[in-house]
Amino acid sequence: KNEVEQSPQNLTAQEGEFITINCSYSVGISALHWLQQHPGGGIVSLFMLSSGKKKHGRLIATINIQEKHSSLHITASHPRDSAVYICAGGGVSNFGNEKLTFGTGTRLTIIP
Amino acid sequence: DVKVTQSSRYLVKRTGEKVFLECVQDMDHENMFWYRQDPGLGLRLIYFSYDVKMKEKGDIPEGYSVSREKKERFSLILESASTNQTSMYLCASSPTGTGFLEQYFGPGTRLTVT
Repeated sequence: KNEVEQSPQNLTAQEGEFITINCSYSVGISALHWLQQHPGGGIVSLFMLSSGKKKHGRLIATINIQEKHSSLHITASHPRDSAVYICAGGGVSNFGNEKLTFGTGTRLTIIP
Repeated sequence: DVKVTQSSRYLVKRTGEKVFLECVQDMDHENMFWYRQDPGLGLRLIYFSYDVKMKEKGDIPEGYSVSREKKERFSLILESASTNQTSMYLCASSPTGTGFLEQYFGPGTRLTVT
């Protein structure tokens, strides 16, 4: 069982819909990341948060430390939002560094 | 802007070949990482390096080695490629003091071993 679980694995929605992607983690973490991976492979960091909520444009990320749960929301979704969204928890590794544990990703497809 | 580049986007190699994957970053980052990404498994850490000539094993180092002779360059080496090493390989780097927490990723190399 992966220590970082995402749901849903796949999500298809119409342009304009409000999107929610969920991430639950079972490990102790100091920060949670949301990453975006477009077709072709490159990964871009969207958010890093350790409490509360962050907003960037149409993207909002929230985290509830007590419940070990984070959500990524996209308002007014657009076809260019189509990508794989990955959450990753930063924990403490055997080396004393904050090793990231990655979820398996949510593939989002926005239909025009 | 931080730029992390990888030598190839797509690579096809034969079983038993020695394979070099190169990664270069242009922001003087101290830390560099190699991951592989497989469907249903997410990204898994192969090796990382926190300084020139320094390396540490990640979660799945078997079958791989690395080289970091210069700060900006981190190479992943498959000594004898096998079909189970067919995967997407992603390199990342992070600034001094941030460890794993502020990683910038390259575009990835999709390696197929036949």
